[in-house]
This record gives sequence, C-alpha cells and structure tokens, in this order.
Amino acid sequence: AQSVTQLDSQVPVFEEAPVELRCNYSSSVSVYLFWYVQYPNQGLQLLLKYLSGSTLVESINGFEAEFNKSQTSFHLRKPSVHISDTAEYFCAVSDSNYQLIWGAGTKLIIKP
Amino acid sequence: DTGVSQDPRHKITKRGQNVTFRCDPISEHNRLYWYRQTLGQGPEFLTYFQNEAQLEKSRLLSDRFSAERPKGSFSTLEIQRTEQGDSAMYLCASSLDPRGSPLHFGNGTRLTVT
Repeated sequence: AQSVTQLDSQVPVFEEAPVELRCNYSSSVSVYLFWYVQYPNQGLQLLLKYLSGSTLVESINGFEAEFNKSQTSFHLRKPSVHISDTAEYFCAVSDSNYQLIWGAGTKLIIKP
Repeated sequence: DTGVSQDPRHKITKRGQNVTFRCDPISEHNRLYWYRQTLGQGPEFLTYFQNEAQLEKSRLLSDRFSAERPKGSFSTLEIQRTEQGDSAMYLCASSLDPRGSPLHFGNGTRLTVT
C-alpha cells in the first residue's frame, strides 16, 4: 500500500530564513504529488502539484517543490519565509485509483 | 465560483444523538469527497461520490455513518448514535476530474461530542 511520510511534525524557523519541509512517499507506480496548506481554522488549499513534465514546480507565493523519483521525495522549500506562512502543510500522493494518500502534516512555525 | 461551503461550522452534541452535516460543492464539480481530520493528523478518507453515485466508502467507516448526494449536487453526512471518538473536523472537498485535478476543500464542520 502507498504511504506518505512527513518526518517533521513541526518546523520552527526565523522570519526571512529559508525552510524545507520534507515529504517521502512509497509507490511502485507513477503518481501525482501535491502540497496543500491549512491556515488556522480554515480548510485545506492546494499549494502546488506535480503531474508530469518539469520536476520543479512553483507556487504563486514563493514556494517550490522538486519531484525526485529516485529518492521518492517531494520536498517543499521556500528561500525566505514570512510570518503569513504560518500554517500546517500536508503532502499527498494519488494512488492508482486517484485517491489521495495524505501525510500527517508539518506545522511551520515562524519566529519573529 | 463561490467555493465549497459546509454547514454548520461547529456542532456540539451529546453522546448518542444523531447529527447531519451539509456540503455544497463547486457547482460544476462532479466529484465530492468527505474526509475526517483529527488533531495532528492528515485528512482521513471517508467516502466519495461521482455525481449522485457513491463509488467508494472507507472500510474503516462505521455503519453509523451514512452519506448521500441525492441529485448530484449537495451532499449530507449523517452520524447516528454519536460517540466521543467521533469528535473531529469533517471536511468536504470537490473536484472536476480525478486525473490529477486538485481537490477544493470547504472550511469544515467541527464536531464535538460530549
């Protein structure tokens, strides 16, 4: 069965510092990969996705993620975080039935 | 596009009572999903609909849970004889096409069973 691992439950980082949120998945088939963000008291919003093509995908607010097939990873990065990036970030992988398998989430905590 | 809306936002109920939640998806979306989320966890899949047909239901889902989407538009999720373990955020999402199409989530209904 497919699984998604987000090793860090919380990542504290200073404002304007870079950040990387890690996501590893297990799959023997081609997959679609997603990062969703959940701000406090809100539903989840799509941040970015990888379907095919370029392995580096970017969001409109400065996040990027790189699909690494050999390492089965899809880590999320931002070169300089802002206080407004405080949220929980979820990695998800679609299975062969296109159902999403979710990681447990990583809370990004921005320190002023 | 008014987004996915869920009602109510919060529900407090006593153990043993029945509750019903409503989800209105984005109008042109044919797929509708229900998830449950507890603190510190990712969303847990409950069930999904393609139009009015319920195509999959999680094996973990108790028979106290039932969902409907009678006309392929809005959906309801009912929990009968609620238990304290049912306390969670219930999320609804919709999408256009399963092949890589992202899910659009509502803000959820937070259920507290006392």
